[in-house]
Amino acid sequence: AQTVTQSQPEMSVQEAETVTLSCTYDTSESDYYLFWYKQPPSRQMILVIRQEAYKQQNATENRFSVNFQKAAKSFSLKISDSQLGDAAMYFCAYARLGSSNTGKLIFGQGTTLQVKP
Amino acid sequence: DVKVTQSSRYLVKRTGEKVFLECVQDMDHENMFWYRQDPGLGLRLIYFSYDVKMKEKGDIPEGYSVSREKKERFSLILESASTNQTSMYLCASGLNRGTGQPQHFGDGTRLSIL
Repeated sequence: AQTVTQSQPEMSVQEAETVTLSCTYDTSESDYYLFWYKQPPSRQMILVIRQEAYKQQNATENRFSVNFQKAAKSFSLKISDSQLGDAAMYFCAYARLGSSNTGKLIFGQGTTLQVKP
Repeated sequence: DVKVTQSSRYLVKRTGEKVFLECVQDMDHENMFWYRQDPGLGLRLIYFSYDVKMKEKGDIPEGYSVSREKKERFSLILESASTNQTSMYLCASGLNRGTGQPQHFGDGTRLSIL
């Protein structure tokens, strides 16, 4: 069974600085998707970034980028120029690529990011 | 924009009650999901549905059931609420066009069972 592990329950960063959130996963599959979702306090969870495992190039979305190390089964999220609005809980998630395309996600435990002014 | 609406943000019920959590999405998504979110455990899948009247158990289905009579609506039912079901419940929807489609989430329902 696939698992996703986020070993950092809490992180903090100074405004305008860079922070990296860690995520590791375990799978025997070769094709899959990985996601980072953001859940602001008392607000809706939204997708931050998505990575296809068969693509070697790391995904980027503005100030958000990932470091995808397939062999190491590592998928970290880097937030550059951190802003107060980045304060949230961040979840790493895995989706298996298969014939039964139900889109099921397996989530990590979450990392709460605090941004200090 | 996709909108996933959960009927209540906060709900307080008593042990033994039958509890209904409702979720509606407006984007004609085939897939709908119910998750439970607990501190330190992340999100765990309770049930999901890939079509009307179709459902499959997730990782923690015990004590729950679901209903999907219409494509846009997915209900989670606690047959006889217990205190260990106090939690945040999140509904999500997504397209069924290959894995990798993002899920869209509702605001969540914080349920307390007394």
